[in-house]
Amino acid sequence: GAVVSQHPSRVICKSGTSVKIECRSLDFQATTMFWYRQFPKQSLMLMATSNEGSKATYEQGVEKDKFLINHASLTLSTLTVTSAHPEDSSFYICSARGQGPASYNGYTFGSGTRLTVV
Amino acid sequence: AQSVTQLDSQVPVFEEAPVELRCNYSSSVSVYLFWYVQYPNQGLQLLLKYLSGSTLVKGINGFEAEFNKSQTSFHLRKPSVHISDTAEYFCAVTPQTGANNLFFGTGTRLTVIP
Repeated sequence: GAVVSQHPSRVICKSGTSVKIECRSLDFQATTMFWYRQFPKQSLMLMATSNEGSKATYEQGVEKDKFLINHASLTLSTLTVTSAHPEDSSFYICSARGQGPASYNGYTFGSGTRLTVV
Repeated sequence: AQSVTQLDSQVPVFEEAPVELRCNYSSSVSVYLFWYVQYPNQGLQLLLKYLSGSTLVKGINGFEAEFNKSQTSFHLRKPSVHISDTAEYFCAVTPQTGANNLFFGTGTRLTVIP
């Protein structure tokens, strides 16, 4: 079945530095990638949607200059948290969807990245 | 716009007992419905989905769900739970046309008690 690889699984960084999270679709072409943020004991909040070769569409309240999303190929999307601060600490999850109707391709999730900013 | 309500934030149940996790949704358009399971510090795994056809959908790990259009519900059930079913469960919907992102409920924490 479809597999999405997300790296790193855990990262600790110093305040003010940038962190890049990668999300790769291993056996299908992901025309659309979704990036979610999940706070402890809460649901997933959609941050942005990216289509290959296009600029990402950010949800209201999400700073696009802080959370840079690149979807340069059909198998790779990256989320860069720039100038990270402790309040950016969270669990970030990517999801990929292939071509065609959602019903046939579904959504495949990465295993998530636990970001801790100290 | 779409919204998903999971009425129970926590559900404790004894091992080998049946369980039902409730999900109701609101949408002005037709939707596809999903149930996902999340284990600690992991991503989401698809349990089952309703696209069309039979309203009773069977998924992995012995779970099933029934779509009830009149009640806009998609409750998840399992006749006999195991310790390994302890996890967070999310109900989600997406419009059948147009916007293609998932809208999630707030999740239900299922705890299976030995």
